[in-house]
Amino acid sequence: QITLKESGPTLVKPTQTLTLTCTFSGFSLSTSGVGVGWIRQPPGKALEWLALIYWDDDKRYSPSLKSRLTITKDTSKNQVVLIMTNMDPVDTATYYCAHTHTVTPAFGFDFWGQGTLVTVSS
Amino acid sequence: QSALTQPASVSGSPGQSITISCTGTSSDVGSYNLVSWYQQHPGKAPKLMIYEGSKRPSGVSNRFSGSKSGNTASLTISGLQAEDEADYYCCSYAGSRWGVFGGGTKLTVL
Repeated sequence: QITLKESGPTLVKPTQTLTLTCTFSGFSLSTSGVGVGWIRQPPGKALEWLALIYWDDDKRYSPSLKSRLTITKDTSKNQVVLIMTNMDPVDTATYYCAHTHTVTPAFGFDFWGQGTLVTVSS
Repeated sequence: QSALTQPASVSGSPGQSITISCTGTSSDVGSYNLVSWYQQHPGKAPKLMIYEGSKRPSGVSNRFSGSKSGNTASLTISGLQAEDEADYYCCSYAGSRWGVFGGGTKLTVL
């Protein structure tokens, strides 16, 4: 079965760089159509799509955060890494990674990690 | 891209039906039949309830249904149950292998 799990620091200081790792099992990011996305949710607020990487190494970023985000994959390790630079307290949120596929569920996210809360504070 | 527009809250009594709307533009909801809906209970990860506008993943109750008209997608929950009380989010494909979420709707079962 498909599982995903986020890992990384729970506390970062303003201006620092955040590195989050999504480790998954039950699928391969080299399979045609597969994608892994990062979505975040500030406390009490809505979901926000951050970045997505596809099996063919195509990468997509939130237009408003594009300059601060980098997403990469390591197919051999079954991992996707998200890097966010210049962290600010407004970036405090639960960060999720999730599985998608271009065919089914057609850009919906059908499997999610448990999420990791990242707090930005000095 | 702006977030899709959802009502902040809806409510209904057990056994009733409710509908949550999700309004986008001709660039997202109106152009593609690729809206997904997610249920999120407090402290939990979102759960996919509907994809491709009206399809249900395996294991999701047929009390949940999706539809679309123009730039607005809708999620209908029939036979409301206490366990349906949660936050609901829509998400639409917006082209170029990218999408946008809605602002979320809090469903209260009275």
